[in-house]
Amino acid sequence: QQQVKQSPQSLIVQKGGISIINCAYENTAFDYFPWYQQFPGKGPALLIAIRPDVSEKKEGRFTISFNKSAKQFSLHIMDSQPGDSATYFCAANPGNSGGSNYKLTFGKGTLLTVNP
Amino acid sequence: DAGVTQSPTHLIKTRGQQVTLRCSPKSGHDTVSWYQQALGQGPQFIFQYYEEEERQRGNFPDRFSGHQFPNYSSELNVNALLLGDSALYLCASSLGGGYTFGSGTRLTVV
Repeated sequence: QQQVKQSPQSLIVQKGGISIINCAYENTAFDYFPWYQQFPGKGPALLIAIRPDVSEKKEGRFTISFNKSAKQFSLHIMDSQPGDSATYFCAANPGNSGGSNYKLTFGKGTLLTVNP
Repeated sequence: DAGVTQSPTHLIKTRGQQVTLRCSPKSGHDTVSWYQQALGQGPQFIFQYYEEEERQRGNFPDRFSGHQFPNYSSELNVNALLLGDSALYLCASSLGGGYTFGSGTRLTVV
């Protein structure tokens, strides 16, 4: 059972454009929703995270939008740059303290390519 | 400050063999989790160690086992390797907050 569904599988965006990646979850016990960025040959690195008590969180060019009733959340990358080209994973876990005591459930990932 | 260190970076094993992967957590972190990432997939949780005990486990067979040492470093052992065990194995450490991942060990089973 895939508890976190991520789309699209791949995404091509022009430099300066907006990249949007969507995720949907099933487990209502999930309480922490991070996004990870992974470059080839590297492990995932935390990009930004949100808890369901807010509908949006912004850090620089990266924004998470969260819809608790629809059980959906998305990552928006504004002014996308070639250096943003990587695989992005959404994730979720029930840990209300930031998650380290609980396993992370990941989506399947989105390969983002930003063309110059 | 060193992050999470994993060794080896790459490994080739034959079906039926056993393998041990190693992880040194980020300085100050006391919890270590292991994930398996198949090609083109998201990481899948294997298990988590805290205070040298397995605290929780994902849906992996008993062929997968682990250990945490008093210095918080950890090992992942896989017995009777199958071709399907070929993957990137990620170690993540934490201390009450979010995870820090290592760069992983690429295991190829032939």
